[in-house]
Amino acid sequence: GQNIDQPTEMTATEGAIVQINCTYQTSGFNGLFWYQQHAGEAPTFLSYNVLDGLEEKGRFSSFLSRSKGYSYLLLKELQMKDSASYLCAVIRDDKIIFGKGTRLHILP
Amino acid sequence: DSGVTQTPKHLITATGQRVTLRCSPRSGDLSVYWYQQSLDQGLQFLIHYYNGEERAKGNILERFSAQQFPDLHSELNLSSLELGDSALYFCASSAPINTRDRVPNEQFFGPGTRLTVL
Repeated sequence: GQNIDQPTEMTATEGAIVQINCTYQTSGFNGLFWYQQHAGEAPTFLSYNVLDGLEEKGRFSSFLSRSKGYSYLLLKELQMKDSASYLCAVIRDDKIIFGKGTRLHILP
Repeated sequence: DSGVTQTPKHLITATGQRVTLRCSPRSGDLSVYWYQQSLDQGLQFLIHYYNGEERAKGNILERFSAQQFPDLHSELNLSSLELGDSALYFCASSAPINTRDRVPNEQFFGPGTRLTVL
C-alpha cells in the first residue's frame, strides 16, 4: 500500500502483550490512524496520532515517531476477540493511504 | 452501528454494466470518503467529498465517479464493469474538522456494499 509497511501476520497468546509495527514514507505526512477490522466487517477506529509520543486508550496504545516514519500499536491483556486485522493508515497530502494490514491470531 | 448507512448490501451484476452505490453519512458529518477493498489490494482510498465538494482523489478509475448531494448523502457510480471491480466498497464519514469533541479526522465506516461482477 504505497510504501506503508506492516507485518502480514502475527500470533500471540491470550493475556499477553503484542506490538504491531508500521513504517511509512515521511513526505507529506499529516497524521496516522490505526483501525481494527474483523473479517467481513467494516474497519473501526482505534487511534489517531499526529504528534510524536504515546497515546494510551485502555488496553490499546499507539506510538508515533515522525522523524523515523514509524508507528506501533500495542495491545495488552489480549483477548480472543482481539483476533482481527489491524490497519495502519497515513494521511498524506489530504489522501488517506492504508497499509495492507496485519492479521493477528490469538491462541488460547 | 456506526451511524453510516450503505445500500445495497450486496450487488451482483455482469461485465459491462453500470451500478450506483449509495451512502448516507452520520448526522452532522460533512465529509464522505469512498474506499474499495479487494483481497489482494487491501483498502484503497478512492475519493473524499466535503460538504458537496470534491476534496481529494485517490486511486479512482476514470470509469468510476462520485458525487455528494445537498443533503450530504453520496453516490459512487461504477460503469463498464470488469471482473476485477468485484470488491467490498466502503463509505466512511467524519465530523467537521473544527468540531472540538471528536478526534480529528476519525472516520466512521458503513457496513459496505459487496459487489460481484460475473
